[in-house]
Amino acid sequence: RKEVEQDPGPFNVPEGATVAFNCTYSNSASQSFFWYRQDCRKEPKLLMSVYSSGNEDGRFTAQLNRASQYISLLIRDSKLSDSATYLCVVTRASGYSTLTFGKGTMLLVSP
Amino acid sequence: EPEVTQTPSHQVTQMGQEVILRCVPISNHLYFYWYRQILGQKVEFLVSFYNNEISEKSEIFDDQFSVERPDGSNFTLKIRSTKLEDSAMYFCASRVLAGDQNEQFFGPGTRLTVL
Repeated sequence: RKEVEQDPGPFNVPEGATVAFNCTYSNSASQSFFWYRQDCRKEPKLLMSVYSSGNEDGRFTAQLNRASQYISLLIRDSKLSDSATYLCVVTRASGYSTLTFGKGTMLLVSP
Repeated sequence: EPEVTQTPSHQVTQMGQEVILRCVPISNHLYFYWYRQILGQKVEFLVSFYNNEISEKSEIFDDQFSVERPDGSNFTLKIRSTKLEDSAMYFCASRVLAGDQNEQFFGPGTRLTVL
């Protein structure tokens, strides 16, 4: 089983749509959880951390279910600039915060 | 805003040659990392470095790889004898403190092409 699994994508949505990304992780000892965004041929950039209580940042909402080992990201009112690959990322329980990445789900927002 | 820088942006080399990829982490950061991403695949951890020594490494990071912090600013990844399968984007990252919620900042990457 892969350490971090994401929907394969791509997701093609019109501007203004709501889109949900799903992610599962295999290591129950994983400590911290993130969503990163990666534009084509660029470096990953932190979009938001994910907390057990769920958290929201503007149009973005992240949820974590530790019991199910499931993480989600919801983007409301999609913009053209949201087009990117969304990476689900967890840290190993190593103490050095090594990041384990999912393969990512590509989002294409069209006019 | 401080950022992680990497040089070169693109390196082309012949199989069997040595390459050194360079990174300048953010100046007050204490933890340094190398990751790689083969085209079309996920980002993979290679090695973490703290207090002038390797703190963790993956099975990818074999004897062909080494890291060094030769001075107070640079952090390098050396591949001794490159193979075709080493072709990838190599990202350096740094982090300021301990604690998992501290963000890792990534550099723009070096694209390594092994011919």
